Amino acid sequence: DVKVTQSSRYLVKRTGEKVFLECVQDMDHENMFWYRQDPGLGLRLIYFSYDVKMKEKGDIPEGYSVSREKKERFSLILESASTNQTSMYLCASSLGTGTNEAFFGQGTRLTVV
Amino acid sequence: SQKIEQNSEALNIQEGKTATLTCNYTNYSPAYLQWYRQDPGRGPVFLLLIRENEKEKRKERLKVTFDTTLKQSLFHITASQPADSATYLCALASGGYNKLIFGAGTRLAVHP
Repeated sequence: DVKVTQSSRYLVKRTGEKVFLECVQDMDHENMFWYRQDPGLGLRLIYFSYDVKMKEKGDIPEGYSVSREKKERFSLILESASTNQTSMYLCASSLGTGTNEAFFGQGTRLTVV
Repeated sequence: SQKIEQNSEALNIQEGKTATLTCNYTNYSPAYLQWYRQDPGRGPVFLLLIRENEKEKRKERLKVTFDTTLKQSLFHITASQPADSATYLCALASGGYNKLIFGAGTRLAVHP
């Protein structure tokens, strides 16, 4: 059974903290994505990685960075958490070629207080 | 700028009727378009994909059409059931590495 696993289901962090969200996939997919989802705004792409150590900014990269040192793992880093980063964060993976359906993790609901 | 729009934030229909959801896009030339279902508190799940050279695709009670001239896809659920209540999202691949971009979604509520 294919799987994308996010390290936490719920997180509460303080303003100014450095926050790490981890995502692991077991499908040997080239592509990995981080989205955030807010009511009325849908899924917005933060960062995208198409290979180890390769990344591309999405629509809303400000305040975030990413790391992909191994093919199966993609980390999202909030350098200094702010209250406007309170959101649902979703990680996904897909093949890099062909018709690449995305497989999603269960999501991390992050609250910054 | 590139944009993906889904027709409405919410759609309410009666059980047994056909639900029709719309996805419009601008400034893309996608080779295919995908539809996903998302239940509250969960990640989206892939439903169907339609290629640019396909006019229509079916899977059980689901039907998707794709009109590259109108830059529009329609997603139909026939004989709808309360269990079909969810948010439905369309997605396009953008760029050389198949970066997936999603619409905001349409929340469907099927009432008994």
